[in-house]
Amino acid sequence: ETGVTQSPTHLIKTRGQQVTLRCSSQSGHNTVSWYQQALGQGPQFIFQYYREEENGRGNFPPRFSGLQFPNYSSELNVNALELDDSALYLCASSLGQVGTEAFFGQGTRLTVV
Amino acid sequence: GQQVMQIPQYQHVQEGEDFTTYCNSSTTLSNIQWYKQRPGGHPVFLIQLVKSGEVKKQKRLTFQFGEAKKNSSLHITATQTTDVGTYFCAGQGAGGTSYGKLTFGQGTILTVHP
Repeated sequence: ETGVTQSPTHLIKTRGQQVTLRCSSQSGHNTVSWYQQALGQGPQFIFQYYREEENGRGNFPPRFSGLQFPNYSSELNVNALELDDSALYLCASSLGQVGTEAFFGQGTRLTVV
Repeated sequence: GQQVMQIPQYQHVQEGEDFTTYCNSSTTLSNIQWYKQRPGGHPVFLIQLVKSGEVKKQKRLTFQFGEAKKNSSLHITATQTTDVGTYFCAGQGAGGTSYGKLTFGQGTILTVHP
């Protein structure tokens, strides 16, 4: 086990709704990254948070937003859900932004109908 | 933007055969990491390579980082059924907009027939 926990594990939402996914990082890790993994694909970088500041963003629209809290846990918010947002959302925590191992949570499987 | 290509997409082997997956980045990398994801699971870190030309071994697994820090490979000797899963390479950029961003390849799905 990595010590990174995500909630919920599964979620079904309707197109147009909003969703919040949560991640509790491994103890002592100050960096959290979020990834979207579509079926059969590699994880796609959404954004990274370092000490509560967004530090780097992938090619995702502004309706994907996030937060990191003082205890380094994090949230991913997605507004105006689209069918293509259906995927496994992975959170990864690390000690530092570059050059350190990323510990992934088990993911949240989001289905948009 | 930074792109990481990985081949082959699928590899089916008989138990005991060797396996290799290759990874190529469009830009020079700060480091490259390898992950394994079992079916229904999440990526699990295997190793990180940082230096140009670096070679690291973990039992039957050998990892290489190219001299130009743009390509890498993972070789498994004498595969076992426990090696089944998807192997991903993930590169981290050297700076700019790629800083801190792990760019994953598409992965190689390995199946091992007993």
